[in-house]
Amino acid sequence: EVQLVESGGGLVQPGASLKLSCVASGFTFSDYWMSWVRQTPGKTMEWIGDIKYDGSYTNYAPSLKNRFTISRDNAKSTLYLQMSNVRSEDTATYYCTRAGTDYFDYWGQGVMVTVSS
Amino acid sequence: DVVMTQTPVSLSVSLGGQVSISCRSSQSLVHNNGNTYLSWYLQKPGQSPQLLIYKVSNRFSGISDRFSGSGSGTDFTLKISRVEPDDLGVYYCGQGTQYPTFGAGTKLELK
Repeated sequence: EVQLVESGGGLVQPGASLKLSCVASGFTFSDYWMSWVRQTPGKTMEWIGDIKYDGSYTNYAPSLKNRFTISRDNAKSTLYLQMSNVRSEDTATYYCTRAGTDYFDYWGQGVMVTVSS
Repeated sequence: DVVMTQTPVSLSVSLGGQVSISCRSSQSLVHNNGNTYLSWYLQKPGQSPQLLIYKVSNRFSGISDRFSGSGSGTDFTLKISRVEPDDLGVYYCGQGTQYPTFGAGTKLELK
């Protein structure tokens, strides 16, 4: 069974940094592109970016490219999202998803990030 | 950005009934490779989204044949027949032809 389990969320102050993790199981992690997608409190879904199966290539939504960094550790079957200089509009539930940009076939349970002073 | 517009915003249905959800993109979703990367997701209350349909009309593993997708270019439709209680929630369309974007969702409720 494919499982994606996110962690690392919580309350963070504006301007701070935060790193989310996603541990994958039930499939060969190093064979798949992985993505992060977030959902705002108003339920708007936004793709953040993705990373190639070997970690050699990343894509980002243009509006987030300069503040968010996606990485992975295939030995640990773990996907990461480094968020820097966070803003109130980054408040959302963050989902780790399998597959590349064409569709997202498995989603984690999500982790909430609240940006507030 | 490719803007995805879903209609209606909400839909009421009786159990056993049939519904259609429309999704329109601001640009053609036909990729240079000839594929059309339009997908449909269902988010049940309190859960993560789940993939229903990919590449316009392909049902994902384990998805009932009561769900069907159709369309081309910029206009797409998800049809749900013989609606069951477990079908209720918010449906999203999404495109992956350019960097991914999603519709705002259509909430399916019981009449």
